[in-house]
Amino acid sequence: QVQLQESGPGLVKPSETLSLTCSVSGGSISGYFWSWIRQPPGKGLEWIGYIYYSGTTNYNPTLKSRVTISVDTSKNQFSLKLSSVTAADTAIYYCVKFYSSSWFNWFDPWGQGTLVTVSS
Amino acid sequence: EIVLTQSPGTLSLSPGERATLSCRASQSVSKSYLAWYQQKPGQSPRLLIYGASSRATGIPDRFSASGSRTDFNLTISRLEPEDFAVYYCQLYDNPPPVFTFGPGTKVDIK
Repeated sequence: QVQLQESGPGLVKPSETLSLTCSVSGGSISGYFWSWIRQPPGKGLEWIGYIYYSGTTNYNPTLKSRVTISVDTSKNQFSLKLSSVTAADTAIYYCVKFYSSSWFNWFDPWGQGTLVTVSS
Repeated sequence: EIVLTQSPGTLSLSPGERATLSCRASQSVSKSYLAWYQQKPGQSPRLLIYGASSRATGIPDRFSASGSRTDFNLTISRLEPEDFAVYYCQLYDNPPPVFTFGPGTKVDIK
């Protein structure tokens, strides 16, 4: 069973760049899609974007100007960068495996999530 | 942009009772791309249903789902103590490719 683990700073200053890495274990990152989803404390879920192992990306239009997702197949990892952060970007950030076909798609499994707080 | 609405916001029930949760889309959507997730306090979401009605691997058969076009339902036939959680519906729409989550329905113990 694939497992995902987020890592990165838990505190980021306003206007700086949030950087997180997701390490994938129990399976190869190659051949699949991978995604980032976030959840402000006590609130709902927001899709940030996804990446295919080959490097093809797709981002939420509301965040597109600030988001970069990249993949490192040699390390079995993918990463998120979110620039010019504000307090509104404070959230639990989840890395998730994304299954996509012509008929279905879904997010599963999910990492445990990591809380990133934006504050000076 | 398609908006998902979930109702009720909170559902207060007792173990053993039946729960019916609703997810409504602001316009007709492909049911192939409608999924449901369960999130327990302090945990990550877990996939329950994909394709509007197909149970994910390992999901008990007390969970069922149906719907099409704009109206989708998730039913828990007999609530077990571990089923008290928040449930989210999620939709894929294209173009542009976007994934949207509903605001969630909290099922709590009456």
